[in-house]
Amino acid sequence: GDSVTQMEGPVTLSEEAFLTINCTYTATGYPSLFWYVQYPGEGLQLLLKATKADDKGSNKGFEATYRKETTSFHLEKGSVQVSDSAVYFCALMGTNFGNEKLTFGTGTRLTIIP
Amino acid sequence: DVKVTQSSRYLVKRTGEKVFLECVQDMDHENMFWYRQDPGLGLRLIYFSYDVKMKEKGDIPEGYSVSREKKERFSLILESASTNQTSMYLCASSLYRDRVANTIYFGEGSWLTVV
Repeated sequence: GDSVTQMEGPVTLSEEAFLTINCTYTATGYPSLFWYVQYPGEGLQLLLKATKADDKGSNKGFEATYRKETTSFHLEKGSVQVSDSAVYFCALMGTNFGNEKLTFGTGTRLTIIP
Repeated sequence: DVKVTQSSRYLVKRTGEKVFLECVQDMDHENMFWYRQDPGLGLRLIYFSYDVKMKEKGDIPEGYSVSREKKERFSLILESASTNQTSMYLCASSLYRDRVANTIYFGEGSWLTVV
């Protein structure tokens, strides 16, 4: 079945550092890929998504590129801020008709220190 | 903005009690989902529904049931709560897919403690 493997945390960085959170997936066909973010005490919010190979999703300075050849969707940001401290989830949605549920990775907790 | 509302943010229940977690969405979405979130395990799908009165088992349905009598409302039921069901429960909804990866919107979560 479908699965998502993401970098284990926690990750602690200084403000303005470069961020990479790795995510790889296993799925048949061409799934859609997502990054969700969960701020303390809140539910999940969509951060960005990509629906086909070589697509780049971007939002709030974060980017991720759908790499079919490496089955990856790594999250990057050039200069992180304290407000980026949160838990980040990589997820995929399968391509089968009616299979519109998300399969999540285990989450990566990111802490940014001033 | 899409609003997914979970009626209870924090609940404490006793072992063996029947527990209802309620979720309402205001965007006429066909799809609704219940996930469970645990540290180190991420989010796991319990049940989902594509339409009124329709339901499908997710990855961990044991010990849970669901009800969807109206399009906007999706209830998760713990028939006899156990301590291993202590967790954060997240409800979500999305439009029915039309060959597009529609965004799934989440509620704020319900923290359930079973003692």
